[in-house]
Amino acid sequence: NAGVTQTPKFRVLKTGQSMTLLCAQDMNHEYMYWYRQDPGMGLRLIHYSVGEGTTAKGEVPDGYNVSRLKKQNFLLGLESAAPSQTSVYFCASRRLAIWGTADYEQYFGPGTRLTVT
Amino acid sequence: AQSVAQPEDQVNVAEGNPLTVKCTYSVSGNPYLFWYVQYPNRGLQFLLKYITGDNLVKGSYGFEAEFNKSQTSFHLKKPSALVSDSALYFCAVGAGNMLTFGGGTRLMVKP
Repeated sequence: NAGVTQTPKFRVLKTGQSMTLLCAQDMNHEYMYWYRQDPGMGLRLIHYSVGEGTTAKGEVPDGYNVSRLKKQNFLLGLESAAPSQTSVYFCASRRLAIWGTADYEQYFGPGTRLTVT
Repeated sequence: AQSVAQPEDQVNVAEGNPLTVKCTYSVSGNPYLFWYVQYPNRGLQFLLKYITGDNLVKGSYGFEAEFNKSQTSFHLKKPSALVSDSALYFCAVGAGNMLTFGGGTRLMVKP
């Protein structure tokens, strides 16, 4: 199993450009997440999905859109990139928790380093 | 809303000495607590979790964590540090569909 993969690994954008980050998982997980990591701020949740065709906002959703058309893929879009979106982006997934457990363990991809100039 | 605090940006320890990385949390209801490790240019890797039961939880690579309900803490420990343990460590609390992460603590183990 490849686990969670992310493409691209690196990207440089100019202000106002758009791009899409792709996350793929082969573990048949129901839940998928997009985070951004900034120095000293830990990981902050951008958007997440609890199943195919569903998405929800996280802590810092502004400036981002997501789609989950297939269970194994979760796309993060930046319509008009801004320098404040310079960050490392991580995707994660987890299985549906069995009732009575707290199976919140998430599996992370290797990250995408995005620079917006 | 839940929150996690990691009060130390960096912890320095000599190889062979015990290490502790601190974490305190705030959550309504039962706490589900996690530790993750991040090596340079890599994603986060799961180390251990507390759901219920024994307050001392054992995890990967010889790490363990002690849950203290009265102090709302979940400190990460290891009896004897290795240089290869040098990395960024994140504590997290789970609630609903999400994990909330602390800001991270950089562990530096010197030979």
